Order: sequence, then structure tokens, then C-alpha cells
Amino acid sequence: SQQGEEDPQALSIQEGENATMNCSYKTSINNLQWYRQNSGRGLVHLILIRSNEREKHSGRLRVTLDTSKKSSSLLITASRAADTASYFCATVNTGTASKLTFGTGTRLQVTL
Amino acid sequence: EPEVTQTPSHQVTQMGQEVILRCVPISNHLYFYWYRQILGQKVEFLVSFYNNEISEKSEIFDDQFSVERPDGSNFTLKIRSTKLEDSAMYFCASQLVPGYGYTFGSGTRLTVV
Repeated sequence: SQQGEEDPQALSIQEGENATMNCSYKTSINNLQWYRQNSGRGLVHLILIRSNEREKHSGRLRVTLDTSKKSSSLLITASRAADTASYFCATVNTGTASKLTFGTGTRLQVTL
Repeated sequence: EPEVTQTPSHQVTQMGQEVILRCVPISNHLYFYWYRQILGQKVEFLVSFYNNEISEKSEIFDDQFSVERPDGSNFTLKIRSTKLEDSAMYFCASQLVPGYGYTFGSGTRLTVV
């Protein structure tokens, strides 16, 4: 698999449920970031977790990072219809200044 | 909240023509980027720019591409002779310093016909 693979590719849940998306990567990283994209529009930065951190929270978002497994997960709790979007993980790899390497994304559909 | 502004939102051009995509980054940000996303594919890094020079570029960013920050506020991407495969959404982004998240613009959809 390539650097930054999200799993699942698509996820459909009902409003109020939790959504969990996973990301795997291959190389050593400085940090990992999650972005949201609505319908081919711009990317919105959600959260950044550094390589020496294991968990981070921001509102309804919880991100974990396991550098030994080279994986991260994004949990959205109590999802809303407005959370419907594509979610991407992106890594800043060790040895690069700040270039982002994006994953393939997870399309989240939250229905009423 | 400060925004990164991109113009135009959509540009259609004929193959072989030059295009300039424009971006106004957030005023106090120091690092600037261009990324592109071909329909249905990953977002790909093109180039990063700091202190008025390119700091990193990808294999995609060949001699047909150039970037400029002509007046201290605008940040432009020029494609000299467009190809069909240049059709994509192009995103500009800015960053205060490395180690922080990016602020992306809404993108320019470039269609080469």
C-alpha cells in the first residue's frame, strides 16, 4: 500500500453515531494531520498530532497515533449531517521541511 | 477568521496556452504551497516557497511550472504550456511556520481542453 492509506474508503452512519477512520503510513514522520474536504472544495485543517504524542482531542474529534504501527485514527463522536465530507490524513515525513503527503481519504456520509 | 483566497475559482484553457493561478495567502504567514488534486485522486504536493525562493518541489513541478510572489501579497502558479493532464483542482496553502497546520484556499479548478 502507499503512504497514507485510509480505511475504510467509505463510511455511512446515522446521525448521533460515532465515526472512526484509520490511516496507515510507511515512513518516519514529524507529525500527522487530518483534513476535511466538502464536495471537492478546499481542505480544512482539523487537528495535528506530533510524533511524540499519542492522543489529542479537539471538540468532538479524537486522534490517536501509534508510531510503532505507523497508524493513526480519527474518531468523530456524536456525528451530525454537517460532518458529511471526505477526511484525509496527511503526514509530514522526517527529512522533509513541511511538505504534506496525503492519504487516499475516507468518504463519510452521515444520514438523518 | 483569516482566509487564503484563490482566483479564479474555475478556468478553462486550451492546450498549449499559459495560465496563471493566483493566491493571496494569510498576511503573517511565511510558508506558501501549491498542491493539486486530479479528479478522484490524492492531493499531491507541487511546491513549497519560503523567503522568496522555492524550498522544495515535486517531480510534477517541471520546467513548465513556476511560482512567484511578485508583490509581497500575491502568490502565483504559472503553467507555461498546459497539457490535458494538467486538468485538476489546484490548491494554494499558507502556513505560519512548519509544525503547524496549513490553511488552504478553496481551489482553482483548471480544465484544459
